[in-house]
Amino acid sequence: DVKVTQSSRYLVKRTGEKVFLECVQDMDHENMFWYRQDPGLGLRLIYFSYDVKMKEKGDIPEGYSVSREKKERFSLILESASTNQTSMYLCASSLPGSRGKTGELFFGEGSRLTVL
Amino acid sequence: AQSVTQLGSHVSVSEGALVLLRCNYSSSVPPYLFWYVQYPNQGLQLLLKYTSAATLVKGINGFEAEFKKSETSFHLTKPSAHMSDAAEYFCAVSVSSGTYKYIFGTGTRLKVLA
Repeated sequence: DVKVTQSSRYLVKRTGEKVFLECVQDMDHENMFWYRQDPGLGLRLIYFSYDVKMKEKGDIPEGYSVSREKKERFSLILESASTNQTSMYLCASSLPGSRGKTGELFFGEGSRLTVL
Repeated sequence: AQSVTQLGSHVSVSEGALVLLRCNYSSSVPPYLFWYVQYPNQGLQLLLKYTSAATLVKGINGFEAEFKKSETSFHLTKPSAHMSDAAEYFCAVSVSSGTYKYIFGTGTRLKVLA
């Protein structure tokens, strides 16, 4: 069964702390994504990666960075957490939407971050 | 550019009644369309997808959706609601040429009344 695993389901951090959110997928997918989910706003793309060491900014990259050193792992980093980064963070992976593949997303369970 | 509009942030139905969740999209090229479901405190799970084959798409848990190009719609339906269908539902669009990005709607929370 396909699986995307997010290391922490719930985190509480203080303003200014550095925060790491880890995501691992076991499906050998090329593409990985980090979304942020807030009530009434749906899912907003923070960053995505289509290959190891490759990354692209999404719609709301400010205040975030990412790392993809291995194909199966995609990390989201908050260099200095702020209260407006309190949110649900969702990691997803997919095959490329080409070569006959539709590229649907497979999601992790989410990491709910609270910044005090 | 692509966009997705979900009409109604909250929908309530009685158990056994028809479920209809609305999704309209905008895309300059043939789209792929998806419906995802999110149960409380969980990630999103794919319900069904349209990939330019049959316009009526059947998914899991008795849900289906019909792609109507003339109306730019992809509404989700289920003939008879069950209490376990209570969740948040997201419509999403992606282009068929292999884009790495998806556009999600803002979600519709379905409540099923006993």
